[in-house]
Amino acid sequence: DQQVKQNSPSLSVQEGRISILNCDYTNSMFDYFLWYKKYPAEGPTFLISISSIKDKNEDGRFTVFLNKSAKHLSLHIVPSQPGDSAVYFCAAKTSYDKVIFGPGTSLSVIP
Amino acid sequence: DTGVSQDPRHKITKRGQNVTFRCDPISEHNRLYWYRQTLGQGPEFLTYFQNEAQLEKSRLLSDRFSAERPKGSFSTLEIQRTEQGDSAMYLCASSPTSGSIEVFGPGTRLTVL
Repeated sequence: DQQVKQNSPSLSVQEGRISILNCDYTNSMFDYFLWYKKYPAEGPTFLISISSIKDKNEDGRFTVFLNKSAKHLSLHIVPSQPGDSAVYFCAAKTSYDKVIFGPGTSLSVIP
Repeated sequence: DTGVSQDPRHKITKRGQNVTFRCDPISEHNRLYWYRQTLGQGPEFLTYFQNEAQLEKSRLLSDRFSAERPKGSFSTLEIQRTEQGDSAMYLCASSPTSGSIEVFGPGTRLTVL
C-alpha cells in the first residue's frame, strides 16, 4: 500500500520554464510534507517542506503547494535550470514518525 | 563534522556472504535511520534508533538483517547470507529530534552476485 504517490516517473522541461512536480498521499494523519532532490550516486538532499497547517511555502525558485482536502501537493520550480535535473522525491510524515517516500520523478531541464 | 558519512560507498559480494555497513551521523543528532532504495523506487524505511535504542523495525528487515548503535553514535547494518534481492542502495540518515528534517548520507551501494 503506497501511501505517497508520484504518478509521473519523468518530466522534461525547457530551461527557463516552470517545472511542476505532483504528489498525492493517502494517509490523512500526515502533518508534514517534504521534497528531497537526489543526484546519481548521492543521498537525497532536503529541498523544501510544508506543514499541514499551511497551503504554500516558498523558498527562492521553489514553491510547494498543499491541498489537504485533495490530499495533493505540488512542487513548482521557476525558472527551471539545467542544474535542477535530478530525481525529486515527495515525502510525508507524522510529527513523531519516520519519513515515507514516494517513488520519485526524474526531472530533465533541457538547455 | 560536515554531514552524515557512510562506509563503504560501494560493496560487491557473492551470494551467501555477510556484509556490514557503517554510518556516522551528524554528531549532535540523536536519531539515526536506515533506508533501502532500489531502482525506480523511493527510499524504504528499514529501522531507526533514538540514541542507542532501536525503536522500530520494518517488516522489510528480515532475520538476516541486524542493526546496532552501541554507544548512540555510529551505527552498523549487517546483512547475513546475502541474496541477490539484497542488491540496493542502503541509505543512512540522522536528525536531532523526531520532528526535524532527516539529513541523508551518500549511501552504500550493494551488489550481490
